[in-house]
Amino acid sequence: AQKVTQAQTEISVVEKEDVTLDCVYETRDTTYYLFWYKQPPSGELVFLIRRNSFDEQNEISGRYSWNFQKSTSSFNFTITASQVVDSAVYFCALSAIYNQGGKLIFGQGTELSVKP
Amino acid sequence: GAGVSQTPSNKVTEKGKYVELRCDPISGHTALYWYRQSLGQGPEFLIYFQGTGAADDSGLPNDRFFAVRPEGSVSTLKIQRTERGDSAVYLCASSLMNPGSNTGELFFGEGSRLTVL
Repeated sequence: AQKVTQAQTEISVVEKEDVTLDCVYETRDTTYYLFWYKQPPSGELVFLIRRNSFDEQNEISGRYSWNFQKSTSSFNFTITASQVVDSAVYFCALSAIYNQGGKLIFGQGTELSVKP
Repeated sequence: GAGVSQTPSNKVTEKGKYVELRCDPISGHTALYWYRQSLGQGPEFLIYFQGTGAADDSGLPNDRFFAVRPEGSVSTLKIQRTERGDSAVYLCASSLMNPGSNTGELFFGEGSRLTVL
């Protein structure tokens, strides 16, 4: 069975602080995809990143960075120098590659609140 | 518009009624997905279309739920004999092709909020 756990339900930080959102997953597949999506108050999920299970290189995109560790089944997301506009619910998700990435198993989400 | 469009944005109905939710994907996107999101939870997969056919409907909770995409573009999610437990936000997403072939980005609509009284 596949499962994604985001243990942090809510996180509150002050602007300019760094914040890390945790994601732990379970799967029996040897190859799979991992994703992060952002859901602002408007409700529309916005794609942030996809990683293949065979590519463990960390990735940085502006203030965002992702740390993928297969040994601990984790795919954590860090926002550096957070801004008020980062306030949203963030979802980690998993899919099997044989599903070609379309059927996503989402975690429960972490609600990030960035205060000025 | 350029994005995924879902109508209605809000639907309130009574238990036992029939409901249709519509999704208009981004033009040219061949893959279309329906997800359901309950309050405080992550989205839950319902069904996936590649073109006109349902490639995977394993997430539909029971036979009261049905979805169609007759011309490979607009899709309708149909719920018969609605129950209070069906109350949720129903999200539609589309992508250019099978996402394994590209960045994996699904483009989501803002959802249809269904409330069953």
